[in-house]
Amino acid sequence: GQQVQQSPASLVLQEGENAELQCNFSTSLNSMQWFYQRPGGSLVSLFYNPSGTKHSGRLTSTTVIKERRSSLHISSSQTTDSGTYLCALDLYTGYQNFYFGKGTSLTVIP
Amino acid sequence: DMKVTQMPRYLIKRMGENVLLECGQDMSHETMYWYRQDPGLGLQLIYISYDVDSNSEGDIPKGYRVSRKKREHFSLILDSAKTNQTSVYFCASSLPMGEQYFGPGTRLTVL
Repeated sequence: GQQVQQSPASLVLQEGENAELQCNFSTSLNSMQWFYQRPGGSLVSLFYNPSGTKHSGRLTSTTVIKERRSSLHISSSQTTDSGTYLCALDLYTGYQNFYFGKGTSLTVIP
Repeated sequence: DMKVTQMPRYLIKRMGENVLLECGQDMSHETMYWYRQDPGLGLQLIYISYDVDSNSEGDIPKGYRVSRKKREHFSLILDSAKTNQTSVYFCASSLPMGEQYFGPGTRLTVL
């Protein structure tokens, strides 16, 4: 079923604006992983975040297990941030498996 | 250098031909995955392998089989490829309770 729901499905920003991408999940998890994918490209790992907040440059990931949500904040967006952002729920119940959301398509215009 | 490699990167086959996609990783990860990605459908898990000769079906295994004889190699085989198997195929690997690393993808076209 739909264990991972991402929102919004798409987003258009003016360069310099901030973005908040959401990922909600319906089950307990081991961790949440955020990926970036350029059109026609592979998935690049941004964060692997079991709980709490992590920072990397202009990106911040926050996972709140009790509320079953994870967010990715992009500050001062740039045109090179355009692409698709995917979250993946890492479930470990003796064996590991990842459940992916459908992604958020981000377009940053100059 | 942690890396997942895929070969070939691009492949064109005719319907009914056999297809072999190769994946390698240099991180000694136990778990490896094969996904396909289609517009509007997102990433779909085809097979997962927990170690050598320990493979499990994912969400869409029909028409595919896999082989893992060494920890660092994981192959995806399409016996008698079909046009609806045209897609981008991604391989990934991970440690137990660790993050996933993806390969660059293989773009397969079945005519």
